[in-house]
Amino acid sequence: QKEVEQDPGPLSVPEGAIVSLNCTYSNSAFQYFMWYRQYSRKGPELLMYTYSSGNKEDGRFTAQVDKSSKYISLFIRDSQPSDSATYLCAMIGTSGSRLTFGEGTQLTVNP
Amino acid sequence: SAVISQKPSRDICQRGTSLTIQCQVDSQVTMMFWYRQQPGQSLTLIATANQGSEATYESGFVIDKFPISRPNLTFSTLTVSNMSPEDSSIYLCSVASGSYQETQYFGPGTRLLVL
Repeated sequence: QKEVEQDPGPLSVPEGAIVSLNCTYSNSAFQYFMWYRQYSRKGPELLMYTYSSGNKEDGRFTAQVDKSSKYISLFIRDSQPSDSATYLCAMIGTSGSRLTFGEGTQLTVNP
Repeated sequence: SAVISQKPSRDICQRGTSLTIQCQVDSQVTMMFWYRQQPGQSLTLIATANQGSEATYESGFVIDKFPISRPNLTFSTLTVSNMSPEDSSIYLCSVASGSYQETQYFGPGTRLLVL
């Protein structure tokens, strides 16, 4: 079983839709939870990071962490064609362990 | 956030040859990381490079195949040695910040095709 599970999609939505991206994990030692956006032929770009459980909002993006369920989400409101990319969740503990990535979800927002 | 550049951005190489990838950061950092991303897949950590010490390799990666240099706090190289088609991938370097290296910033990647 993988430490981090993420549905690879692809996910296709119309412009303006609310997008929900999710990851589950098995390692209870994870404390920091990140979302990266990767455009085609580019390196991953850090979107948001959250420590422990709770919500964090940044513009149209909201990250949620539920440590009791070992479940994290990224919501994109009013999605735009420029949001079309692969979104990767990532997480790390506090013991100097390595960053563990999900497989990434490929998102297409259609105009 | 750090600005990271990589050279070359892409290359096509013959089986059995070696390629050295360079990673330059615009600020001094303690730890640099090298990842591989195979087509349609997520990122796999190859090794962690600290300045002034030997790189630490993850399971499945060895120094003879992926030698790494870290001569100063802003620069690192990864060499892919004796290449085979299975080494075709995107190679990414990254740097980290935070108490637990929890925020990582990535370079644009080097796309390698081995024929």
